[in-house]
Amino acid sequence: GQQVMQIPQYQHVQEGEDFTTYCNSSTTLSNIQWYKQRPGGHPVFLIQLVKSGEVKKQKRLTFQFGEAKKNSSLHITATQTTDVGTYFCAVYLKTSYDKVIFGPGTSLSVIP
Amino acid sequence: GAGVSQSPSNKVTEKGKDVELRCDPISGHTALYWYRQSLGQGLEFLIYFQGNSAPDKSGLPSDRFSAERTGGSVSTLTIQRTQQEDSAVYLCASSLARGYEQYFGPGTRLTVT
Repeated sequence: GQQVMQIPQYQHVQEGEDFTTYCNSSTTLSNIQWYKQRPGGHPVFLIQLVKSGEVKKQKRLTFQFGEAKKNSSLHITATQTTDVGTYFCAVYLKTSYDKVIFGPGTSLSVIP
Repeated sequence: GAGVSQSPSNKVTEKGKDVELRCDPISGHTALYWYRQSLGQGLEFLIYFQGNSAPDKSGLPSDRFSAERTGGSVSTLTIQRTQQEDSAVYLCASSLARGYEQYFGPGTRLTVT
């Protein structure tokens, strides 16, 4: 069946360090979304990637969609304490647009 | 404008009882999703509605779970004969159409004692 993996599961960084999380799918994706969930909160949409090789930036966040549309990454430059939370990728399968699968998430802790 | 709302925010029920969870999506959003999130875990997809129909119900954990959506708006998730393993936060999300960004509600925390 469809597998969606995110690595790492947890990441602890010093404030100011960079952070990257990766989302990998076993099948080709239609599109991918990234969400952030703060502790005690609900997921909030960050970005959507649709095109092969697409790169999008939001201030210190850089999102990339792989050429084969099977993987994606989220990179945060110079982390801040406000970046704390769990980052989820959500994939929409090319073969079935009706189901969305969320990755297990990467939990980011930032040490001030 | 108003976001996605869910009620109740918290529900404590005894094992074996039925519960109904409600989701009010953003007006005009045709797609509606239900997820379950256990403590410290990811989001488990339960069901997706496009309008009033649910093309994919395969995410529902068992036949004790059912969901409906009426008028292309409000949705209810019903859990019959609740079990302790049903304890989790149930999240609802809506989007303009399938594949668009999802807006999540605050969730319903269900505790089965």
